[in-house]
Amino acid sequence: RKEVEQDPGPFNVPEGATVAFNCTYSNSASQSFFWYRQDCRKEPKLLMSVYSSGNEDGRFTAQLNRASQYISLLIRDSKLSDSATYLCVVGGGGSYIPTFGRGTSLIVHP
Amino acid sequence: DAGVIQSPRHEVTEMGQEVTLRCKPISGHNSLFWYRQTMMRGLELLIYFNNNVPIDDSGMPEDRFSAKMPNASFSTLKIQPSEPRDSAVYFCASAPPRGFVEQYFGPGTRLTVT
Repeated sequence: RKEVEQDPGPFNVPEGATVAFNCTYSNSASQSFFWYRQDCRKEPKLLMSVYSSGNEDGRFTAQLNRASQYISLLIRDSKLSDSATYLCVVGGGGSYIPTFGRGTSLIVHP
Repeated sequence: DAGVIQSPRHEVTEMGQEVTLRCKPISGHNSLFWYRQTMMRGLELLIYFNNNVPIDDSGMPEDRFSAKMPNASFSTLKIQPSEPRDSAVYFCASAPPRGFVEQYFGPGTRLTVT
């Protein structure tokens, strides 16, 4: 089992839709979780951190489910500009090396 | 505030040549990472520095790759000799003391080896 796994997609949704991605991780001792966004031919950019209590930033909500070892990202009222690849990152738990998932591709169409 | 700075942005070289990629991390960050990204393999961590000291270089593909961080504001990744399979985008990222998972990436160097 890979350390961090994501559905590569693409998720193809219309503007205004709600879409959710999951990211599973194998190290139960992991302590730090983040979502990054990467636009085509650009660098990954930090989107938001993930806490057990949930984290909301505008249309974006990130949550952590420790029991099932996954994190999620929910995007409400999708915009064309949300089209990108979303990478999850997991770290801690005895390893200082953060592990990136392969990313989930989102395409928002008119 | 200036972000992570990388140079060059694009590099095209012939097989067998030496390639040096440069990175200036964000001031005050004490962790620095070099990554390689390809369509086939995704984002791969090559090496990680903490307080200018290499902590883990297990991701460096082979002896042709080397990295240095002579001071807190500069790092290099060198490939000698380069091979066509080294073609990729190389990212440098830095992280603040509060958490190494909170990384800030540079714009990357797109390397093409012919």
